[in-house]
Amino acid sequence: QKEVEQNSGPLSVPEGAIASLNCTYSDRVSQSFFWYRQYSGKSPELIMSIYSNGDKEDGRFTAQLNKASQYVSLLIRDSQPSDSATYLCAVIPPHNQFYFGTGTSLTVIP
Amino acid sequence: DTGVSQDPRHKITKRGQNVTFRCDPISEHNRLYWYRQTLGQGPEFLTYFQNEAQLEKSRLLSDRFSAERPKGSFSTLEIQRTEQGDSAMYLCASSFWASLTGELFFGEGSRLTVL
Repeated sequence: QKEVEQNSGPLSVPEGAIASLNCTYSDRVSQSFFWYRQYSGKSPELIMSIYSNGDKEDGRFTAQLNKASQYVSLLIRDSQPSDSATYLCAVIPPHNQFYFGTGTSLTVIP
Repeated sequence: DTGVSQDPRHKITKRGQNVTFRCDPISEHNRLYWYRQTLGQGPEFLTYFQNEAQLEKSRLLSDRFSAERPKGSFSTLEIQRTEQGDSAMYLCASSFWASLTGELFFGEGSRLTVL
């Protein structure tokens, strides 16, 4: 079982819609969770970090964490074409090393 | 520019040659990571340092790969006797590790092509 699993997509949403990206992780005692955005040919950039159960909002982005279900999600409201990218979920299990999922490709259609 | 910097950005080499990549992390960061990424995949962990100590190296990593961070500042990743399967983007990232966490910031990457 992989440490972090994501649906690779592709996910397509119309401009202005909500995009929902999901991630599950295997190590129950993981404490830190991150979402990165990666444009084609570029390196990943940090969007959100979340450490506690519940929701965390930052502008159009909301991260949701459910440790009981070992589930992390990212919601993008009012999706824009510039949001088209691959979104990577990352988790730090107790042995203190970042594990990344394979990423979900998102396309926002104008 | 105070971000993570990597050099060179692109490297084309022939199979069997050695290559070395350099990474300069964000100055106040105490951890430095190396990842490898191929098309359609997420970053694959290679190794990481806390200050000058190499704390973990991926079990999947061939003995042809070696990394150093001699003074706890910049780091080098060397690949000896390159193979075509080594062609990938090599990403360096750094973080300030405290209280069992730290956000990771990436450099632009070094793209390796082995002919």
